[in-house]
Amino acid sequence: AQSVTQPDIHITVSEGASLELRCNYSYGATPYLFWYVQSPGQGLQLLLKYFSGDTLVQGIKGFEAEFKRSQSSFNLRKPSVHWSDAAEYFCAVGARNSGYALNFGKGTSLLVTP
Amino acid sequence: DTEVTQTPKHLVMGMTNKKSLKCEQHMGHRAMYWYKQKAKKPPELMFVYSYEKLSINESVPSRFSPECPNSSLLNLHLHALQPEDSALYLCASSQEPSGGIYNEQFFGPGTRLTVL
Repeated sequence: AQSVTQPDIHITVSEGASLELRCNYSYGATPYLFWYVQSPGQGLQLLLKYFSGDTLVQGIKGFEAEFKRSQSSFNLRKPSVHWSDAAEYFCAVGARNSGYALNFGKGTSLLVTP
Repeated sequence: DTEVTQTPKHLVMGMTNKKSLKCEQHMGHRAMYWYKQKAKKPPELMFVYSYEKLSINESVPSRFSPECPNSSLLNLHLHALQPEDSALYLCASSQEPSGGIYNEQFFGPGTRLTVL
């Protein structure tokens, strides 16, 4: 069965510093991978997605992610974090046997310090 | 219009009440989803509708009853809920239920449900 692992429950970075959030997946076929962000009390906003092709994916708000098949990873990066980036980040895989509903990782909570 | 709307934003209900959550999208999407999200947890899939027919039910208790009256509207009827059902209920939609490049899901802001 497919699964998604986000190894870091919490991450704290200083404003202006670079950010990398880790995501590992387990899936038999080519996965459909997503990163979503959720601010407190809000719904989920899609940051970026990977289906095929170029393994470096650009998203909104200056985020990018790189798909590495050999490492089963889809890590999210941002070169310079802003205080408004503080939120919960979810990596997700599209599950073919669930009507392509999303299987989420447990999330990484990002705290940005001044 | 790339928006999924959900009403109400907040709902407080007793264990004997009957209430409904509403979700609407006007993007022409043919797949719609209900997720439940507890605090500090990821969303968990409850139901999937594909072309207005229920295609996935993730063993959800019968006190939750989904309905898809048309391709733009998705309801979740609630009856005899328990306090542990208190959560954020998220609705999402995607263009096609078959996945691939159409699998991007658009989420609504959610309904915060409290069961007393």
